[in-house]
Order: sequence, then structure tokens, then C-alpha cells
Amino acid sequence: DTEVTQTPKHLVMGMTNKKSLKCEQHMGHRAMYWYKQKAKKPPELMFVYSYEKLSINESVPSRFSPECPNSSLLNLHLHALQPEDSALYLCASSGHRGAMNTEAFFGQGTRLTVV
Amino acid sequence: DAKTTQPNSMESNEEEPVHLPCNHSTISGTDYIHWYRQLPSQGPEYVIHGLTSNVNNRMASLAIAEDRKSSTLILHRATLRDAAVYYCILRESGGGADGLTFGKGTHLIIQP
Repeated sequence: DTEVTQTPKHLVMGMTNKKSLKCEQHMGHRAMYWYKQKAKKPPELMFVYSYEKLSINESVPSRFSPECPNSSLLNLHLHALQPEDSALYLCASSGHRGAMNTEAFFGQGTRLTVV
Repeated sequence: DAKTTQPNSMESNEEEPVHLPCNHSTISGTDYIHWYRQLPSQGPEYVIHGLTSNVNNRMASLAIAEDRKSSTLILHRATLRDAAVYYCILRESGGGADGLTFGKGTHLIIQP
């Protein structure tokens, strides 16, 4: 199974709502990532989890709160978002750089619209 | 991660080979060259990676210049399904987890 599964595929939320994005992989990868992609732009790294611990936060506003409950799951909790946060949110997983296979596997993304 | 430079867009005809260039003049000796592509409405997918020698897999070939300051992704026989944005990314070797730093990539257009 080389899939990264993201749910939901689409999400519309108001600025006062709280919602969560979910990501799951069963490839045994111990590195998981969240990216944000605006229309016609490349993906931008938000967070990196390594062995279930947050290792990189690319200065992301606190209204985005990541969580890694176990080695297969990654969540992104959303609260008090702004319309400019509307984007495609991508989850990815990979082995660590020193591993033989360092390719990253991406999910299809959650298309988020903040109204 | 060191920077890469790619053309904004390229156009090719179906069933013809495509050569996608990437310049990375500041590459360090331990940087791997990775290529990913993103089809419309999908997440990026891995294509190929290499360090010094040319590499082949079922999707593509990667030709790396002797001085490693440039590389070329080769699609041997393009199909309409290869229309995508192609990203050339440098990734340091060694332990630890990091993220991929995407540049603007090359938008590949395939004409039937």
C-alpha cells in the first residue's frame, strides 16, 4: 500500500469554525508533512513530524495546529481561519533522508475554502 | 536546500521525447537531485532521483551533468497523461527528516 489518504477531499468552513484535516499512511514512514498550496503556486512546507514529534514549523500561524497521534496518522486542526487561508492542503510521508528510499508520497489534498 | 532554476513552461508533441532541463549551480557534494511532478488536481508524485550517475526507471530517465550543476529529466515518449508541472528539487543526504522545497517548476504542455 503506497497510498497517503486525506479526508475530507473538500471542506468549506466559516471563520469562527473549528475543523480538522486528517491524513493516514500505512507504509511505515516515520516522517510526515503538511504543505499548503495556493492556486498556480508550488506547495509550501508548513510542518514536519519525525517519529511522531514536531521537528519543523515553518513559522505557521497558531490558528493551524498539527497533531501526530501515532505513526500512521497526522491531523491538522483549524481554528479561526481567514479567507486567505483558502488553499489545497497536502499531506505527505517519507522515510528519513538516510534511508534507501527517500521519495515522498503525497495525498490528493484537501481543498479548503474559508468563508 | 540549494536553489534550482527551470523554464516556466515547455511544449511538446505526443509520442515524442521530452527533455526538461534544471540548473543547480550551487549544488553541494551531498545533494541528491529529485524530480516530482504534479498532474492537474492531484498531489505531487515522485518521478526519479539521482546523485552523480544517470538513472533510469519505468517513468523517466535522469541525466546528470559531469559537474552536477545541471540535470535533465527525459520522458522518452510523452503521452497526454504526462502533462503536468515538473519540479526539480535538491535534497541533502544524511539522517533526519526534512521537507521538500518546491521551486516554480516547469509546466509541460503536450500537444496531441
